[in-house]
Amino acid sequence: GAGVSQTPSNKVTEKGKYVELRCDPISGHTALYWYRQSLGQGPEFLIYFQGTGAADDSGLPNDRFFAVRPEGSVSTLKIQRTERGDSAVYLCASSLQASGNEQFFGPGTRLTVL
Amino acid sequence: QQPVQSPQAVILREGEDAVINCSSSKALYSVHWYRQKHGEAPVFLMILLKGGEQKGHEKISASFNEKKQQSSLYLTASQLSYSGTYFCGTVSGTYKYIFGTGTRLKVLA
Repeated sequence: GAGVSQTPSNKVTEKGKYVELRCDPISGHTALYWYRQSLGQGPEFLIYFQGTGAADDSGLPNDRFFAVRPEGSVSTLKIQRTERGDSAVYLCASSLQASGNEQFFGPGTRLTVL
Repeated sequence: QQPVQSPQAVILREGEDAVINCSSSKALYSVHWYRQKHGEAPVFLMILLKGGEQKGHEKISASFNEKKQQSSLYLTASQLSYSGTYFCGTVSGTYKYIFGTGTRLKVLA
């Protein structure tokens, strides 16, 4: 079956612009995670969804970052007024249930803020 | 607090063994291990749940000591395909999932 997909694979934007990153999880997976990974670092937790609700958004760095999952499947990570420090690979992962299960990662979106 | 992994990097010859350690300052409910190859997403290896469980595949196994808040990944008779960066991932009471500092492993022919 299809794995986790993310679009776009690459996004180049200018400082101050708004961007949306999309994640399509594996069908039937109720848990969805967003991470950010900088070069040479491990994935950094941003937010966790269980179904439609954000069960834990404590990893979002500031109020410029927001994520939604309105129907419990596709999720969108939204970044307002992008800054150069937002440049990173944004990874999405899904799992059957909550944190005790294997996470399946998407290929990521590489965001570059000029 | 991010779990600390050791060593930071290791180079092996094919067929050699390696141990990667993951240590947390917080009580752990479970530990996951992932391998990430350059330019690719992390791939799940195994999960260990609270209870001193030890798991393994053919030549990759792991242990979890919740009292010491530590986990170790054992790679036996390493293969070229084992090269990559290994991360432990921990969950400590909430759904917040924290990855460790990472261990870069290079297997040479």
